[in-house]
Amino acid sequence: DTGVSQNPRHKITKRGQNVTFRCDPISEHNRLYWYRQTLGQGPEFLTYFQNEAQLEKSRLLSDRFSAERPKGSFSTLEIQRTEQGDSAMYLCASSLVVLEVYSYNEQFFGPGTRLTVL
Amino acid sequence: EDQVTQSPEALRLQEGESSSLNCSYTVSGLRGLFWYRQDPGKGPEFLFTLYSAGEEKEKERLKATLTKKESFLHITAPKPEDSATYLCAVQAPYGGSQGNLIFGKGTKLSVKP
Repeated sequence: DTGVSQNPRHKITKRGQNVTFRCDPISEHNRLYWYRQTLGQGPEFLTYFQNEAQLEKSRLLSDRFSAERPKGSFSTLEIQRTEQGDSAMYLCASSLVVLEVYSYNEQFFGPGTRLTVL
Repeated sequence: EDQVTQSPEALRLQEGESSSLNCSYTVSGLRGLFWYRQDPGKGPEFLFTLYSAGEEKEKERLKATLTKKESFLHITAPKPEDSATYLCAVQAPYGGSQGNLIFGKGTKLSVKP
């Protein structure tokens, strides 16, 4: 399977604990995105990387959230001191962008990590 | 502010009953409009990209069209397996965010046999 993979698929944690999620993008894709989705809503952008560089962070990404993409391959999203409001589906997507001007940025999503904070 | 609005929020159809889903958008300088299908508990699955007004794309029973202010996803003779939430998204214009897609809330489609 050459699609986007995410681990774990489900995570239950207690408030105040730290959690880390992993995303493995499609191998030839240079961009990787993190989104968050709550029930009845569309995905909301959190941050994205081009290769190993984090190029943009949403205002939704509080100081408790940090993302990395070492060596431009897989990415991790860490949430420190989790709160009940962090409960959501965390989605990762990847795309291949060669030249921004000519790219339509088709993003392919992974299955998501469902986080429940008790 | 760039915005995507989908209607209806939910749609119930009988098998074989054709219909359309609407996605209206306000964005300065559309670079692309995307349709995704999402099954419960799963990530969105890419369906179509539309770029310019008048463009149409088809895949099996689905056909997506684009005007200057909205897009339609037409479902012809749907089957129960077409039941899912259909998401519409636009790509942020040049000068704004270069990374993200702006999604609507989706239309939840249920097709009864």
